[in-house]
Amino acid sequence: DAGVIQSPRHEVTEMGQEVTLRCKPISGHDYLFWYRQTMMRGLELLIYFNNNVPIDDSGMPEDRFSAKMPNASFSTLKIQPSEPRDSAVYFCASRITGSQETQYFGPGTRLLVL
Amino acid sequence: RKEVEQDPGPFNVPEGATVAFNCTYSNSASQSFFWYRQDCRKEPKLLMSVYSSGNEDGRFTAQLNRASQYISLLIRDSKLSDSATYLCVVNFASKIIFGSGTRLSIRP
Repeated sequence: DAGVIQSPRHEVTEMGQEVTLRCKPISGHDYLFWYRQTMMRGLELLIYFNNNVPIDDSGMPEDRFSAKMPNASFSTLKIQPSEPRDSAVYFCASRITGSQETQYFGPGTRLLVL
Repeated sequence: RKEVEQDPGPFNVPEGATVAFNCTYSNSASQSFFWYRQDCRKEPKLLMSVYSSGNEDGRFTAQLNRASQYISLLIRDSKLSDSATYLCVVNFASKIIFGSGTRLSIRP
């Protein structure tokens, strides 16, 4: 079975450019999470969706960050404009209701903003 | 104070040793608890849930102390393959909070 799929796996961009990260959750999962991981701050929850609806976006750092989930099989995290401090690994995770909160993580997108 | 705190380590122990990590959480209403494992440059993966009565999975034992607001992970007869970062996870009102992780390195 396919796990959570993320693309791209690596992204190098210049400050000021728009970055779009993509995620396909595991089929049938109704929760989707976006995380950011850095050495300094660890793993931070940015936003999560339930049945495609954003439930908690309190972790989104600022207006430059936006996330959408147009359907049950696809989500995007967009950074516009990007800044060097956005450099991190961005993980997408999904889970299904009743799974005792077990989340399945994608392989992550390593973002470097120069 | 951080909502979930862990000793960052690193813990460097010989193969076969027993090692234990603790994790403290600040919200007494936290509802569920987990340990995740993260290998270098990989994604976190669920290691085990932590139940109120304590639970064991092979060489791994997890315990919860609600009164003192901490959870623990004990690894017996450690293997080289146990080298990883162990993340403590606390769930409160559907908000999942990860600790910063404890690095474990097992030496031959």
